[in-house]
Amino acid sequence: GAGVSQTPSNKVTEKGKYVELRCDPISGHTALYWYRQSLGQGPEFLIYFQGTGAADDSGLPNDRFFAVRPEGSVSTLKIQRTERGDSAVYLCASSQTGLQPFFGPGTRLTVL
Amino acid sequence: AQTVTQSQPEMSVQEAETVTLSCTYDTSESDYYLFWYKQPPSRQMILVIRQEAYKQQNATENRFSVNFQKAAKSFSLKISDSQLGDAAMYFCAYRASTNFGNEKLTFGTGTRLTIIP
Repeated sequence: GAGVSQTPSNKVTEKGKYVELRCDPISGHTALYWYRQSLGQGPEFLIYFQGTGAADDSGLPNDRFFAVRPEGSVSTLKIQRTERGDSAVYLCASSQTGLQPFFGPGTRLTVL
Repeated sequence: AQTVTQSQPEMSVQEAETVTLSCTYDTSESDYYLFWYKQPPSRQMILVIRQEAYKQQNATENRFSVNFQKAAKSFSLKISDSQLGDAAMYFCAYRASTNFGNEKLTFGTGTRLTIIP
């Protein structure tokens, strides 16, 4: 596709469940970022991948959050034992190093 | 740590008029980048304009221009001839320039812009 895609668009889950959010970056983009945007806030950085490796995971809030990018393309953000406070829009962005990032439309996660 | 502050949660402007959105930031770095992003209801962040801190000239993109005051750490966005399609959330963002490829952004809390027909 032409842009960054994220699936699902919306996800509703129950407290304590496990969820996976997927990001398909623009083909050829080596850098990939995850951000979390809570209601009424700006996006907050979670993690940055350069290729397959997580080069900066300083934004992950705790060990319930984990992300992978095994082949240097698609990335999955995994959240264990979800809590109501995890409800937010999760945004993914990709870029070629040194160039502007392109954002996806996000996944809205609602934890009941 | 860098912080970005947008003190105007909401702004409104008459169609075809001019509006200015404010942004201040805090950093100890001398070289960095500043951005304005637009987020319509579709949630997709769209880059509006970008400014390199080492450039004294203010960036301009068609109807969008910035007033970059480095000493004051201020970076405001001016939208001229406002159009209905400009209605959105606007986020100011900061990026350090020395992160060896890590181009993570620090965002403000946003300003909701309404265009009055």
